[in-house]
Amino acid sequence: EPEVTQTPSHQVTQMGQEVILRCVPISNHLYFYWYRQILGQKVEFLVSFYNNEISEKSEIFDDQFSVERPDGSNFTLKIRSTKLEDSAMYFCASSEEGAKPQHFGDGTRLSIL
Amino acid sequence: QKEVEQNSGPLSVPEGAIASLNCTYSDRVSQSFFWYRQYSGKSPELIMSIYSNGDKEDGRFTAQLNKASQYVSLLIRDSQPSDSATYLCAVKSDSNYQLIWGAGTKLIIKP
Repeated sequence: EPEVTQTPSHQVTQMGQEVILRCVPISNHLYFYWYRQILGQKVEFLVSFYNNEISEKSEIFDDQFSVERPDGSNFTLKIRSTKLEDSAMYFCASSEEGAKPQHFGDGTRLSIL
Repeated sequence: QKEVEQNSGPLSVPEGAIASLNCTYSDRVSQSFFWYRQYSGKSPELIMSIYSNGDKEDGRFTAQLNKASQYVSLLIRDSQPSDSATYLCAVKSDSNYQLIWGAGTKLIIKP
């Protein structure tokens, strides 16, 4: 069964450094998403992406965050200057259409020191 | 503020019994409803989706939706120890792309 793949599985970064999280969505999916989950808390929406542009973003997704689809398969989340509170699991998801179920990758655990 | 509420549990159910998980939501224009299972340290895994009032069955799982009461539930029949996980309710409206998530109910199936 097709799946969303995310790399790396664990990223450790010094505060203030830039980090790029990578995702390969399911190949025939058109909508892409990033969510995060701080340990012990709810899953939180960050951003959705369709037709090469951001379709929706949350308050969390401030100027420090950006997304990009640099080629036909990858979808990336960049955090420009990481803070301690950015430590979380980051999940990439994709869906065929906006209303259809979103399928999640295994996540990247981001640890900011 | 759009909210999705779930009882955090833990909900303890004997093996072979029916587990019943509940979720309420605040946004009346919500149109799409999803149940995800999340094992500790893992990502959410889609279990069921439901879009219209009534019941939807898939194997041992039944999702129930009542839009008038703003209530969605998940029944798990013949519960197995491998069903032990946190079950997340997620809700979406047609005007948004994002899923609004509940905090999840921790389910423990006792052998």
